Amino acid sequence: GENVEQHPSTLSVQEGDSAVIKCTYSDSASNYFPWYKQELGKGPQLIIDIRSNVGEKKDQRIAVTLNKTAKHFSLHITETQPEDSAVYFCAASKTGNTPLVFGKGTRLSVIA
Amino acid sequence: KAGVTQTPRYLIKTRGQQVTLSCSPISGHRSVSWYQQTPGQGLQFLFEYFSETQRNKGNFPGRFSGRQFSNSRSEMNVSTLELGDSALYLCASSGVGDGTQYFGPGTRLLVL
Repeated sequence: GENVEQHPSTLSVQEGDSAVIKCTYSDSASNYFPWYKQELGKGPQLIIDIRSNVGEKKDQRIAVTLNKTAKHFSLHITETQPEDSAVYFCAASKTGNTPLVFGKGTRLSVIA
Repeated sequence: KAGVTQTPRYLIKTRGQQVTLSCSPISGHRSVSWYQQTPGQGLQFLFEYFSETQRNKGNFPGRFSGRQFSNSRSEMNVSTLELGDSALYLCASSGVGDGTQYFGPGTRLLVL
């Protein structure tokens, strides 16, 4: 089955700097890659996702890139702000009716 | 549109008891998935229901079960609780089969 590895497990950046979180997956049939942000006491919130027919997707300060050949995808957050501090999870699945397989998470701390 | 709701939000049980958790999906969503989140294992898929039928099942013992009603609301049940069942139980709903899942706030279960 699918296996998703996520790095780093913790990341500290200065406010205004960029943050990059990387994930690799094992199943070449996976074609849907969402990213979730989880704040303390809350459920994961979908922040951006990408499907295998595109290589990059942007939404304001957040971008995701996908390299299907290497089977890895990354989350980029620019101009980080203290409110970006949270745990971020990557996931992979085949679209349709297959479950999400999650990475172990990255705890991002943005230092003001 | 209202988001995914889960009740109760917090629960304390003792070993050997059973527990039932409830999830109401986003209006119009017919797929409901359940995940267990623990610090050690991360987010792990339990099962998915679609139109009152279990469509996918994760690798959990038979003590974990679920069901879905005709209005798409779902319940999960854990019988003969063990200390290791202490976790955040998350429910996610999904609409037309593109795989996009939206999570609820979770039910935090503590087994003493």
